[in-house]
Order: sequence, then structure tokens, then C-alpha cells
Amino acid sequence: NAGVTQTPKFRILKIGQSMTLQCAQDMNHNYMYWYRQDPGMGLKLIYYSVGAGITDKGEVPNGYNVSRSTTEDFPLRLELAAPSQTSVYFCASSPGPMSYGYTFGSGTRLTVV
Amino acid sequence: DQQVKQNSPSLSVQEGRISILNCDYTNSMFDYFLWYKKYPAEGPTFLISISSIKDKNEDGRFTVFLNKSAKHLSLHIVPSQPGDSAVYFCAASGVQGAQKLVFGQGTRLTINP
Repeated sequence: NAGVTQTPKFRILKIGQSMTLQCAQDMNHNYMYWYRQDPGMGLKLIYYSVGAGITDKGEVPNGYNVSRSTTEDFPLRLELAAPSQTSVYFCASSPGPMSYGYTFGSGTRLTVV
Repeated sequence: DQQVKQNSPSLSVQEGRISILNCDYTNSMFDYFLWYKKYPAEGPTFLISISSIKDKNEDGRFTVFLNKSAKHLSLHIVPSQPGDSAVYFCAASGVQGAQKLVFGQGTRLTINP
């Protein structure tokens, strides 16, 4: 029962580089989300998906892209990394009803230098 | 435009006493409220939720109270234990669908022996 798995756990990128943050869940949840957490701040929604093939922007989508080709996987792509993207990124999934909340992964700490 | 606010960045409580964490919101369209607990280097974990049609929900040592007229919710932990030391986030959903959560900034709770 892995839940939500995020890789890598840590990464240092140079300005202008690109990378993909991986997220996989094994609970057959339709809803998946990407959040970022900056120091002293709450989590802000980047992108979300309500099912395979369907994605939409959240509150802070600029500089990111996502895809959802399967129910299990929801990768987040950073193009042309900038220092403002230094953050901790959390992937989450949900079965739908809010009474169950989200299940979060353990996060990816990204530093852009 | 912060729709969910936790005005206390930190709270310190004696072991065995009651911990009360507070959260305010501005959007009356929110229909579900949740509390998450987060330890360092881990993802947030779901603690307890409450629907907007209720004013109280209990789960063991944790009780959430909702005051819709004041747009205020609180999490009570009784009795507080050292393992409760963590950052607590309140979150709200129901606006714009897709079960998207809006998070507060978090409150760091420290339980002193």
C-alpha cells in the first residue's frame, strides 16, 4: 500500500534547466493535484486533474505543465527553471468525496540556483 | 486575496492540556473544511473534516467546530500529547468544483512536557 509516491525527493537545478517531477498513486483515485509550499506559506495549487486525459490550471500554473495519460501517473514538468520555483512540491490524490480528504506524497524539495 | 487564514503562526501548549487552533475564511461558498497535520520532511496527513451543514465533528482526541456566521473554524486537541507537535493546516473546498482545496498558512504547534 504505497499510496502516493513522489520522485525525486530532492533536486538542485540550474536556472534555465528543465525537469519532470514524478507522481504515482496506486489507490485508483480519479482526482490528482500538484501543490507547492513556500516557506511560511500554505500550499498553493499548481495544476489538477479529474481523470485520465483531463487537466486544468490551478492558482499558480505559470512555468509548469502537466499530463495525465493514465489514472496512476500525474507528472509535473518545469520548463526553463527560475529561482522563483524554488519550493517544496507536493502531489496528492483523492477519491472524490471531501470527507476523505487528500492523500499526499512526501514531497520533492527543489532548489533553483 | 487569502481566502483561508490562520493568524497564529505558532502555539505552545503544555502536555495534557487542550490545544486550540483557529482558522478564518472569507468565502461563504466553501462547503467542506479539513484539517491536516504535517511533520518535517513529510507530506501533510488528513486529520479530520467537517461539512458546512454541521457545526461539530469529533474523532477521538480531535474535535473540529464550525461557526458559519463568523466564518470561523477551530480544531481542539484534548489531551495534547508530545506527538501532536507538528504544523497544522486548515483547508476549505467547494468553490469552483473538482474538490480543490484552499489552504491556510499553517500553525506550528509545540507540546511541552
